[in-house]
Amino acid sequence: NAGVTQTPKFRILKIGQSMTLQCTQDMNHNYMYWYRQDPGMGLKLIYYSVGAGITDKGEVPNGYNVSRSTTEDFPLRLELAAPSQTSVYFCASSGLAAEKLFFGSGTQLSVL
Amino acid sequence: GQQLNQSPQSMFIQEGEDVSMNCTSSSIFNTWLWYKQDPGEGPVLLIALYKAGELTSNGRLTAQFGITRKDSFLNISASIPSDVGIYFCAGANNAGNMLTFGGGTRLMVKP
Repeated sequence: NAGVTQTPKFRILKIGQSMTLQCTQDMNHNYMYWYRQDPGMGLKLIYYSVGAGITDKGEVPNGYNVSRSTTEDFPLRLELAAPSQTSVYFCASSGLAAEKLFFGSGTQLSVL
Repeated sequence: GQQLNQSPQSMFIQEGEDVSMNCTSSSIFNTWLWYKQDPGEGPVLLIALYKAGELTSNGRLTAQFGITRKDSFLNISASIPSDVGIYFCAGANNAGNMLTFGGGTRLMVKP
């Protein structure tokens, strides 16, 4: 099993550009999450989903959007990239709410 | 929102030494988890704790769920170079669907 797969691994954006970070999992998990990790900091929850068609805001949702049309996929959309969104983004999934999370390997995003 | 205070923020130790780190919260959690993040990778679960007072081991790692349910501890015995990384604590309660993460402890081991 591949687990949680994130693409791309690295990306550089110009201010105002948009992009979608892709995340897919093959464990049939209901719960999926997007976190950001700033240098030297912990993980902050951006958005999460408890199942297909259901999403909710986390701690730092401003500037982001998500959708969950299938159990497997949970893309994260940045509409107008800003320097403050420079970070490492992690997607995660779990079979039970707030239980053992399985993380992807991350997307390093720089907005210049 | 809930916050987890993790300490120390970083540690630089000699190979073979034991390591202790802890995590405290102003709120009660029903589940405590400890993750390790290797450089360039996502965090990986090390230990999960579900009951106050619970002591659980995973090889050289031992974690405890504090009796007040507001803290947790992680110990690593006889450290080795591959223990290098960032260790995160995380707490969950029955009120929501998300984990709260601590700021991490960066561990460096000198061979």
